[in-house]
Amino acid sequence: GENVEQHPSTLSVQEGDSAVIKCTYSDSASNYFPWYKQELGKRPQLIIDIRSNVGEKKDQRIAVTLNKTAKHFSLHITETQPEDSAVYFCAVPNSNSGYALNFGKGTSLLVTP
Amino acid sequence: NAGVTQTPKFRILKIGQSMTLQCTQDMNHNYMYWYRQDPGMGLKLIYYSVGAGITDKGEVPNGYNVSRSTTEDFPLRLELAAPSQTSVYFCASSGGPLYEQYFGPGTRLTVT
Repeated sequence: GENVEQHPSTLSVQEGDSAVIKCTYSDSASNYFPWYKQELGKRPQLIIDIRSNVGEKKDQRIAVTLNKTAKHFSLHITETQPEDSAVYFCAVPNSNSGYALNFGKGTSLLVTP
Repeated sequence: NAGVTQTPKFRILKIGQSMTLQCTQDMNHNYMYWYRQDPGMGLKLIYYSVGAGITDKGEVPNGYNVSRSTTEDFPLRLELAAPSQTSVYFCASSGGPLYEQYFGPGTRLTVT
């Protein structure tokens, strides 16, 4: 999307290592930051999201951190497993509508045993 | 609940043909969206709707049209198909603005 950049585009880690994916956004009014996971040939599914009134949210091995001052947020996956291999997308609210989302270009994560 | 369903799963069109991609959700969601996904390019918003009778353009609306006559259905119409419309199309719905979006299984469209 035009107002969100995602890095890296590909990431390869060994099983058990941590993975971090970062997104930078431009609209300081953005207030909702979801992460979606898309396995090969499947539909995207929400794995975690955070709103602008908190700085961090955790769900088991997955966490999202938000730095509103620097306008970036990150997905952290700890103790990676082969089933974590997928494409991960961040998203931010569309600046024009506020209702829809603009997605990043995605990060292809490969976890090798 | 079936969630969000899309038909067809696959379709091959010739240049200049038209077709409608169907999308239905049974979660009583007011918000519905159409995205296209090209390899390595993420999801781009085509059109969205905040309720029956209300639609609006997204990032890449050219060559497409939508309608929303009921809460459940949000069809996407392609007129005069072009090779640039070769893509995977996803429909999604959510219970409110900036809430979890539930995606359909997608339609893989090839225009030759």
